[in-house]
Amino acid sequence: ELKVEQNPLFLSMQEGKNYTIYCNYSTTSDRLYWYRQDPGKSLESLFVLLSNGAVKQEGRLMASLDTKARLSTLHITAAVHDLSATYFCAGNTGTASKLTFGTGTRLQVTL
Amino acid sequence: EPEVTQTPSHQVTQMGQEVILRCVPISNHLYFYWYRQILGQKVEFLVSFYNNEISEKSEIFDDQFSVERPDGSNFTLKIRSTKLEDSAMYFCASRERGGRDEQYFGPGTRLTVT
Repeated sequence: ELKVEQNPLFLSMQEGKNYTIYCNYSTTSDRLYWYRQDPGKSLESLFVLLSNGAVKQEGRLMASLDTKARLSTLHITAAVHDLSATYFCAGNTGTASKLTFGTGTRLQVTL
Repeated sequence: EPEVTQTPSHQVTQMGQEVILRCVPISNHLYFYWYRQILGQKVEFLVSFYNNEISEKSEIFDDQFSVERPDGSNFTLKIRSTKLEDSAMYFCASRERGGRDEQYFGPGTRLTVT
C-alpha cells in the first residue's frame, strides 16, 4: 500500500527566502502530484510529474521527481505572501488511479 | 473552463440521519471519485467509480456509504446513518480517460453532524 509522507508539516518563512518541501513515498507510484489548498477551499492542481528526473516550474514554484529515491520536492524561490497555503503531494496507484495524499505542509509567508 | 461542481456547499445534519451529497463531474470525464478531509487533516480516498460501478473503495467506505450516478450527469454520495465522526469536507473529483490522469476537484461540501 502506498504511503506518502511530507516534511515539514509547518513552514514559516520570510518573504524573499527560498525553501524546499519534501515528499517521500513508499512504493512505486505512476505519477506524483502537487496540489495547493487555501483555507476552507478545494484542491488546486499545481504539477503532475510523470517520470524520473521530471522537473516542472510555474512562477516561484518548481517541482521535481526522483523515482529511484522515491522523492519529490517542491522548491519555493523568493517567497511572497500570496504563496501562503497548504501544499499536498499525492501519488496514484491502482487501475482506478486513486490518489494517496501526504499530510500536507502548511506554508506561512511573513512580511 | 469546465469544472466540477458540488452541492450543497454546507450541510448540517443530526446524527443518525441520511445525507446525500451531490456532484456534477466534468462532462467528458469517465472516472469519478469521492475523498474526504477531516478538519486540519490530510485528504483521504473513499471510493472510485467507473463504467457505472465501484472500481475501488477504502476501508472508510463501509456499508453506511453508497455512490450512484443516477442520470448520466450527477454523481452522488449517500451516507445512510450519519455519525459524529463523519463530519468532514467531502470532495468529488473526476478525470478523463487517459491523458495526464489528472483529477479535478470540486469545491467540496462541508458536512457537519451534530
